Amino acid sequence: DTEVTQTPKHLVMGMTNKKSLKCEQHMGHRAMYWYKQKAKKPPELMFVYSYEKLSINESVPSRFSPECPNSSLLNLHLHALQPEDSALYLCASSQLQKETQYFGPGTRLLVL
Amino acid sequence: RKEVEQDPGPFNVPEGATVAFNCTYSNSASQSFFWYRQDCRKEPKLLMSVYSSGNEDGRFTAQLNRASQYISLLIRDSKLSDSATYLCVVMRGTGNQFYFGTGTSLTVIP
Repeated sequence: DTEVTQTPKHLVMGMTNKKSLKCEQHMGHRAMYWYKQKAKKPPELMFVYSYEKLSINESVPSRFSPECPNSSLLNLHLHALQPEDSALYLCASSQLQKETQYFGPGTRLLVL
Repeated sequence: RKEVEQDPGPFNVPEGATVAFNCTYSNSASQSFFWYRQDCRKEPKLLMSVYSSGNEDGRFTAQLNRASQYISLLIRDSKLSDSATYLCVVMRGTGNQFYFGTGTSLTVIP
């Protein structure tokens, strides 16, 4: 089973709202990732967690706050977003000794 | 200079054609290489890893030339279902960080 799940599939939020994106995997992967993807562009890395600890933060604005409650779950908390933050947010996971990343279906976010 | 460069296309080819995509990477320390496929409004999915000796999976052949820092993907006997964006991905030895090319768009025409 190489499945990464993400909820919600779609999200519409105002600039003053607080919401969270959720990602889950049960493959025993110890690295998890958040990516942002705009239309017709490749995914851009936001955060990497290794062994539930944040290992890479690609200078992401503080209105995005990641959280890794345990080895299977990864959250992305959203607060005071801007319309330009509208995008597809992809979660991925991988084994640390093997590099292949498996992507979830993404959450399509629209900020009004 | 970008980490990974790809010709964005688009490539429009008839069914049954052979098509080749190329990709170059800038960092000689890169150690792992992949082709991912992404359908419209879907997530990227691993198509194949790329090994120095070259590798084949059915109609798909991937090649890596470390000296030239060049990766290729060949698709033979194109099917309509091959229409997608093909992403070249490079990873360095540490940090589990993927570097994506801009993607090459392929449309297979009946």
